[in-house]
Amino acid sequence: AQKITQTQPGMFVQEKEAVTLDCTYDTSDPSYGLFWYKQPSSGEMIFLIYQGSYDQQNATEGRYSLNFQKARKSANLVISASQLGDSAMYFCAMREGQLGNQFYFGTGTSLTVIP
Amino acid sequence: EAQVTQNPRYLITVTGKKLTVTCSQNMNHEYMSWYRQDPGLGLRQIYYSMNVEVTDKGDVPEGYKVSRKEKRNFPLILESPSPNQTSLYFCASSHPGLQGDEQFFGPGTRLTVL
Repeated sequence: AQKITQTQPGMFVQEKEAVTLDCTYDTSDPSYGLFWYKQPSSGEMIFLIYQGSYDQQNATEGRYSLNFQKARKSANLVISASQLGDSAMYFCAMREGQLGNQFYFGTGTSLTVIP
Repeated sequence: EAQVTQNPRYLITVTGKKLTVTCSQNMNHEYMSWYRQDPGLGLRQIYYSMNVEVTDKGDVPEGYKVSRKEKRNFPLILESPSPNQTSLYFCASSHPGLQGDEQFFGPGTRLTVL
């Protein structure tokens, strides 16, 4: 079974609107971390946001928030007030264990922001 | 400047010719990893290391070797490259326990094996 599933290969959003990128995960480890990365067309990987499995509140970083629904094993990324510069590939990732270094990435969602 | 560097950035080689992609980080991170990125498959972890002389296989280790003799360096070795190893490779580092265990990625190495 896939550890990380991103079911939206491509998404479009109007500038200044909010958009949700879906991510579901599969693990039996009670301790894990969830990450979102952005990859613009230039190719670099940019860390956006992190959610720990024991965190009580949803993580937020500026215009990014992570909608963490533990029972449903989902970790959706919400981008508010989309900007043209948000057009990129977005990857959801999971690290199993408290201090592990084994990571699993999804296949990514390509987001296009329309002016 | 805190960074992860990879060399070379681009490489075209032929089947069977041994090559090494270097990775170095200047953040004193304990953890390092190698990934490959292929269209439609996302990033897949090849090998990872949690300290000097400690390495483990990731999801796709076949055809690759790594070593971690120093904390800052984590080279990726392809002993006998094949065309199916044509890919974009990323090195990453992180430090356990820091908020989020955020991974810092290198700029990537685009490898073509003919």
